[in-house]
Amino acid sequence: NAGVTQTPKFQVLKTGQSMTLQCAQDMNHEYMSWYRQDPGMGLRLIHYSVGAGITDQGEVPNGYNVSRSTTEDFPLRLLLAAPSQTSVYFCASSPRRTGGYEQYFGPGTRLTVT
Amino acid sequence: SQKIEQNSEALNIQEGKTATLTCNYTNYSPAYLQWYRQDPGRGPVFLLLIRENEKEKRKERLKVTFDTTLKQSLFHITASQPADSATYLCALDGMNRDDKIIFGKGTRLHILP
Repeated sequence: NAGVTQTPKFQVLKTGQSMTLQCAQDMNHEYMSWYRQDPGMGLRLIHYSVGAGITDQGEVPNGYNVSRSTTEDFPLRLLLAAPSQTSVYFCASSPRRTGGYEQYFGPGTRLTVT
Repeated sequence: SQKIEQNSEALNIQEGKTATLTCNYTNYSPAYLQWYRQDPGRGPVFLLLIRENEKEKRKERLKVTFDTTLKQSLFHITASQPADSATYLCALDGMNRDDKIIFGKGTRLHILP
């Protein structure tokens, strides 16, 4: 198993541009989520999904869109990039949303918006 | 609002000693508490889970305690090694599907040789 994969590893965007961060898992996990990690802020939940076709907002959803058309893929779209979205983004998956299952994290995407 | 705090930004421990990290929380009744390890430039990796009805959990040199009255978890690494140097995150999870998983900011641990 490859686990959770994320692409790209690094990205530089100009303010106002849009892009999609890709996330895929090959473990048939029901639950997938996106976090951003900023210095001094810890991991903050952006959006999550409990299954194909079902998504919901986390703590900091503004400026981001998600969709879950398959179990495997959970892309994160930045609509109009802003410098405040400069961060490291992690995708995670776990077998179920409830039950205390461990989350498997991807390697992260480091995004800089200038 | 829900709050989770981890002790100090960095902790320096001499090799061979026990490192103890703290996770405190307020306005949350977690059913589960998890600890993760994160190395620079990498995603967090799961270490241990403890349930609300468990007082203590062990895995090799790791031990976690959970006190729901104090709203606190302690994470111990015994016989610490330089390879244990990393950032350690605690995370709270509820029982219900709508509960949000929240992470602490992490504690950076340095094991000094």
